[in-house]
Amino acid sequence: KAGVTQTPRYLIKTRGQQVTLSCSPISGHRSVSWYQQTPGQGLQFLFEYFSETQRNKGNFPGRFSGRQFSNSRSEMNVSTLELGDSALYLCASSPEGDNTDTQYFGPGTRLTVL
Amino acid sequence: GQQVMQIPQYQHVQEGEDFTTYCNSSTTLSNIQWYKQRPGGHPVFLIQLVKSGEVKKQKRLTFQFGEAKKNSSLHITATQTTDVGTYFCARSRRDSNYQLIWGAGTKLIIKP
Repeated sequence: KAGVTQTPRYLIKTRGQQVTLSCSPISGHRSVSWYQQTPGQGLQFLFEYFSETQRNKGNFPGRFSGRQFSNSRSEMNVSTLELGDSALYLCASSPEGDNTDTQYFGPGTRLTVL
Repeated sequence: GQQVMQIPQYQHVQEGEDFTTYCNSSTTLSNIQWYKQRPGGHPVFLIQLVKSGEVKKQKRLTFQFGEAKKNSSLHITATQTTDVGTYFCARSRRDSNYQLIWGAGTKLIIKP
């Protein structure tokens, strides 16, 4: 099976702009989670979608939003970008059943806000 | 209560020395998972531990789950340059409102 894909891989934006990142999960995976990772930091959970519904949300401002489509592909949007939003944004998909905790990560989108 | 404490934050070793990272929880875990993130890369799943006292090996890596299922460790014997990266543990989403809870990670650095 193909792995998790994320587009674009790199993005440069300026403050105040908005951005949309895309994630295609592994075929058959209905759960998609998004994380923000800044240099030297761990994985900060943004939100998780399952079957087009947001199942969980981390402690991020409302500028961060997401959605999931019927084919399980997911997008996240950040509006009114701030310098502090510069980070690696990772998407991960998970199977169902006993291995539902296992996260398969995509390569990430590296966002730079100038 | 839901947090996972991972220590140390960094570990500097000479190539060939051993490396260990620990994850601790104040509550019992359904399972614990370990991931590795190489510099410039993304986290990659290594293993999931489920049973009390479980010990699993992957070549030079040994994973342990405590008897009380509240702690876990990852030990690397005779580190190599390919082991460089950050190792994360994560607790089951079943234990925390369906959100995977991550440790802060331990960065393995090989001294030149």
